[in-house]
Amino acid sequence: QVQLQESGPGLVKPSQTLSLTCTVSGGSISSGSYYWSWIRQPAGKGLEWIGRISTSGSTIYNPSLKSRVSISADTSKNQFSLKLSSVTAADTAVYYCARDDPPDDYSNYWGQGTLVTVSS
Amino acid sequence: QAVLTQPSSLSASPGASASLTCTLRSGINVGTYRIYWYQQKPGSPPQYLLTCKSDSDNQQGSGVPSRFSGSKDASANAGILLISGLQSEDEADYYCMIWHSSAWVFGGGTKLTVL
Repeated sequence: QVQLQESGPGLVKPSQTLSLTCTVSGGSISSGSYYWSWIRQPAGKGLEWIGRISTSGSTIYNPSLKSRVSISADTSKNQFSLKLSSVTAADTAVYYCARDDPPDDYSNYWGQGTLVTVSS
Repeated sequence: QAVLTQPSSLSASPGASASLTCTLRSGINVGTYRIYWYQQKPGSPPQYLLTCKSDSDNQQGSGVPSRFSGSKDASANAGILLISGLQSEDEADYYCMIWHSSAWVFGGGTKLTVL
């Protein structure tokens, strides 16, 4: 069974770049017809999809975040990563990585999430 | 106006049924979308429940009890998650989701209290 684990700094200063990594076990991120997604959730609030990368490396982002987001993959480490630039306090949230399964490509397997706080 | 609107909270008694609605913004026809439903308990990631393609065509998530079902109300332009035979373990937040304009869009979530 695939497992996902987020990692990265828990505290980021305003205007800096948030960087997170998702390590995948139990399956290769470069095989199959999967997408690998990032979703976030501010404390006490709802879910927001950030974007995803396919096994072939193509990406698609939430239009509301597109100008600040980059998702990439390192197949040698079986990891994919999120970078969110110019962060503000509004970017404080639990960040989840997930695997999107065909045929509908919804997020079916999720990591446990990691809290990122934006504060000086 | 949000793409998907869910009531913020709902209460129901054990053994009863609960109907959770997910209303699509005017101009977005529920009939043309698949509605996805997730359950989230405190401190845990969301868990996929089911996909509602039509009233007669639901795809259940692995291990999801059959007392969770989905439907659509065309007159209300809404997706509905019906939970029958409510149990205390069903107390959670529930989110709907659609693929809209090349992005996944979530509703704001409904907190279901079983008491």
